Amino acid sequence: DQQVKQNSPSLSVQEGRISILNCDYTNSMFDYFLWYKKYPAEGPTFLISISSIKDKNEDGRFTVFLNKSAKHLSLHIVPSQPGDSAVYFCAASGGDYKLSFGAGTTVTVRA
Amino acid sequence: NAGVTQTPKFQVLKTGQSMTLQCAQDMNHEYMSWYRQDPGMGLRLIHYSVGAGITDQGEVPNGYNVSRSTTEDFPLRLLSAAPSQTSVYFCASRGAGANVLTFGAGSRLTVL
Repeated sequence: DQQVKQNSPSLSVQEGRISILNCDYTNSMFDYFLWYKKYPAEGPTFLISISSIKDKNEDGRFTVFLNKSAKHLSLHIVPSQPGDSAVYFCAASGGDYKLSFGAGTTVTVRA
Repeated sequence: NAGVTQTPKFQVLKTGQSMTLQCAQDMNHEYMSWYRQDPGMGLRLIHYSVGAGITDQGEVPNGYNVSRSTTEDFPLRLLSAAPSQTSVYFCASRGAGANVLTFGAGSRLTVL
């Protein structure tokens, strides 16, 4: 049973607009959350993370929001650029050595 | 600055054959792991290791073996390949106390 869920398999957005990716988790022991970005034929690369003691973390065009009561996090990309077209994975950790990943959301940025 | 190196990048096997996917990292990371990526399933943990001589099972360990004789290397062995093991395999590592995994470029395996 997947403990990290990304219910939107794909997202299409116009260049310059905001991309919002959502992620839900079921394990209340998760205390650290990450987003990874993956291009075809490459490995996932780390994008941004957030600890459970925070509700927002920002890095340039990327912002991650965490709502612990709802067990929900989201990634905002503003403004979206063509190079942002990729698969985005949400991941969570409960303090052990293991990361649990969601199924991924494919983002397509249209010119 | 190689990071995590996986070989081979592509492999085709027949059912029942065995093979080893190689993974090496040059960052002196204690933790190493293997994931498989399948459509609609995301990345699922196969096996992991917290240091040389220590390995443990992840979410989907059946059909795979691992060993960790050195800090640098973490090979994944398929003893008798099955079509259900057709997938893209990623090796990843991280340092002690870190949360961020560094991934290799992946190995695409097809079992006929």
